[in-house]
Amino acid sequence: GEDVEQSLFLSVREGDSSVINCTYTDSSSTYLYWYKQEPGAGLQLLTYIFSNMDMKQDQRLTVLLNKKDKHLSLRIADTQTGDSAIYFCAEVRTDKLIFGTGTRLQVFP
Amino acid sequence: NAGVTQTPKFQVLKTGQSMTLQCAQDMNHNSMYWYRQDPGMGLRLIYYSASEGTTDKGEVPNGYNVSRLNKREFSLRLESAAPSQTSVYFCASSPMYSNQPQHFGDGTRLSIL
Repeated sequence: GEDVEQSLFLSVREGDSSVINCTYTDSSSTYLYWYKQEPGAGLQLLTYIFSNMDMKQDQRLTVLLNKKDKHLSLRIADTQTGDSAIYFCAEVRTDKLIFGTGTRLQVFP
Repeated sequence: NAGVTQTPKFQVLKTGQSMTLQCAQDMNHNSMYWYRQDPGMGLRLIYYSASEGTTDKGEVPNGYNVSRLNKREFSLRLESAAPSQTSVYFCASSPMYSNQPQHFGDGTRLSIL
């Protein structure tokens, strides 16, 4: 099947905002997810958005969904060094969770 | 507050050896999953169990077998390990199958020489 696409790397300065982008494939996906993976650990669910929403905000995290372009983004405000990790978007396709390749976020002082 | 527990955390095997990776969840979830993670490829679904007593193939099932031992436990078996199976393996669970957020274990790092 088609890939869920993400850029591989993003580098930001501490205190700036980070925006991680994702292009998904299935317009009928009802939920879209963002997961965070820290070194040596499993995936931690960060947030998700239902397909009938355009935006969801949860503290420093803002998810934007553009269904027309099948584009999902995760904005992290006031990025901290503890936000350094790999971020995966995931869509539900034929009842299965399909992951993007992940974006490695590096935060520098 | 364990969530999803995987054992072992690390393992080195020789080509042709067999091994079973164990996974247990304490969240009373119905559905469980096995993924492998390879560099630049995200996570790929190997097998899943939508409910106790059922198992189904995912995207990359060849070379693997699974057993849903009970509601808590879902094991993954490599009958004859190959170097191409060197990967990080993750187990996950969710309350129900489909459209449910999945909770992941910390992974098993498997190297096959």
